[in-house]
Amino acid sequence: SQQGEEDPQALSIQEGENATMNCSYKTSINNLQWYRQNSGRGLVHLILIRSNEREKHSGRLRVTLDTSKKSSSLLITASRAADTASYFCATYGNKLVFGAGTILRVKS
Amino acid sequence: DAGVIQSPRHEVTEMGQEVTLRCKPISGHDYLFWYRQTMMRGLELLIYFNNNVPIDDSGMPEDRFSAKMPNASFSTLKIQPSEPRDSAVYFCASTTSEAGELFFGEGSRLTVL
Repeated sequence: SQQGEEDPQALSIQEGENATMNCSYKTSINNLQWYRQNSGRGLVHLILIRSNEREKHSGRLRVTLDTSKKSSSLLITASRAADTASYFCATYGNKLVFGAGTILRVKS
Repeated sequence: DAGVIQSPRHEVTEMGQEVTLRCKPISGHDYLFWYRQTMMRGLELLIYFNNNVPIDDSGMPEDRFSAKMPNASFSTLKIQPSEPRDSAVYFCASTTSEAGELFFGEGSRLTVL
């Protein structure tokens, strides 16, 4: 069964806009990770945030984690057409479990 | 670095046939994972190994599925006999830490007719 649930399921924005994706989960976690998957390709790790961290940045990516609400968000700033992909959150409790993903489309 | 290498990339077979998917993890990684991705069920963890030993195979759907890791540089996932509902993309991933980031292969797309 999937631990993380992403919201929205799909998101379409214009190039240059920011994209925000949310992830909610049910049980206690050790860390939460975000991955990107381009069509027909494998998943690529973007960022890992530990349960004792609240925010983390990597380039144009900003991830927040609220363990009291059991939720996380991924913000991609100044989006580009190349950001078009599916984005998955994955939670690690005693194993890594992936959510259903958000399909992001960035229109140029 | 070569990354995680999976073969074949595409496999089309008929129901009842044996299917073997192969994976070469990144050198030095001592954890290896097999995931299955479908539209209906998303990404499911099938089994993972640590130092070539299966640690958790609770995600393996049925006895028709088996996985082996005879050495640190090679793993197989076998389906015998295959069924149409096994059609999916099968991913192999490796890492140095069970709780750390996973490095995925490009996947093996299996179609069972």
